[in-house]
Amino acid sequence: DADVTQTPRNRITKTGKRIMLECSQTKGHDRMYWYRQDPGLGLRLIYYSFDVKDINKGEISDGYSVSRQAQAKFSLSLESAIPNQTALYFCATRRGRNGGTDTQYFGPGTRLTVL
Amino acid sequence: QKEVEQNSGPLSVPEGAIASLNCTYSDRGSQSFFWYRQYSGKSPELIMFIYSNGDKEDGRFTAQLNKASQYVSLLIRDSQPSDSATYLCAVNLADYGQNFVFGPGTRLSVLP
Repeated sequence: DADVTQTPRNRITKTGKRIMLECSQTKGHDRMYWYRQDPGLGLRLIYYSFDVKDINKGEISDGYSVSRQAQAKFSLSLESAIPNQTALYFCATRRGRNGGTDTQYFGPGTRLTVL
Repeated sequence: QKEVEQNSGPLSVPEGAIASLNCTYSDRGSQSFFWYRQYSGKSPELIMFIYSNGDKEDGRFTAQLNKASQYVSLLIRDSQPSDSATYLCAVNLADYGQNFVFGPGTRLSVLP
C-alpha cells in the first residue's frame, strides 16, 4: 500500500463549487504539505502543517483552506472553485526531525479541473 | 524573495551521454538541496540530496554544490531513455520554516 494517498485522483467541477481534496499518510510523519503544480511554474506551497495544532499559510494560500484532522490526515478545501485553480495538486509529508536533510514524500496527485 | 532557477529545457542528449542539469538559488540561508525526478503526470521522487560543498555520487548520479556561487547541479552519466523526465531542484531554507522552495524544473529528453 502507498505511504501517502490522495483522494480523489481526478476531479472535474464547476465554478463556484466547494471542493475538498484529502490526503492520508502511514509514514508517521509530523509534517504535511499541500502544493499545486502548473506547467512551467514548478511546485508552489499552498499550506503546511508541522503538527495537528500548527497550520501555516504558504506562498499561494488565497482561495484555499486546510484542516489537519489527525497526524495522518490533511485536507485541502477550495471554498468556491474558480478556473485558475485548475492544476495538479500534491500532498507531501516529511519527518522533519533530522534538520534539513529529510526529504519530502509525495502522494500520487489530484488532477483538478474547474470549468 | 526566495528564488530557485532552472533552465526549462528541453535538454536533449543522446543515449550514453552525460546530462548536466543546473540550478541556482538566491537565498544564502539555504541549507540543503534536493533533486527530484518527475515523470509526466506522476509525483516527484527523490534522486538525491546534498548539503556540503563538493560532489556527492550515487550510482549514475552526481550532485555538485557550490555555496559561494549559489549553484547546484546534477550530472547523469550513461543517460538512458528511461531518464527522460522533468528534474526538479528543491532548496531547504532554515528561515522559511525548513520548507522547500522548488525550481520550475528542467525537462530532459534522452534520445535512443
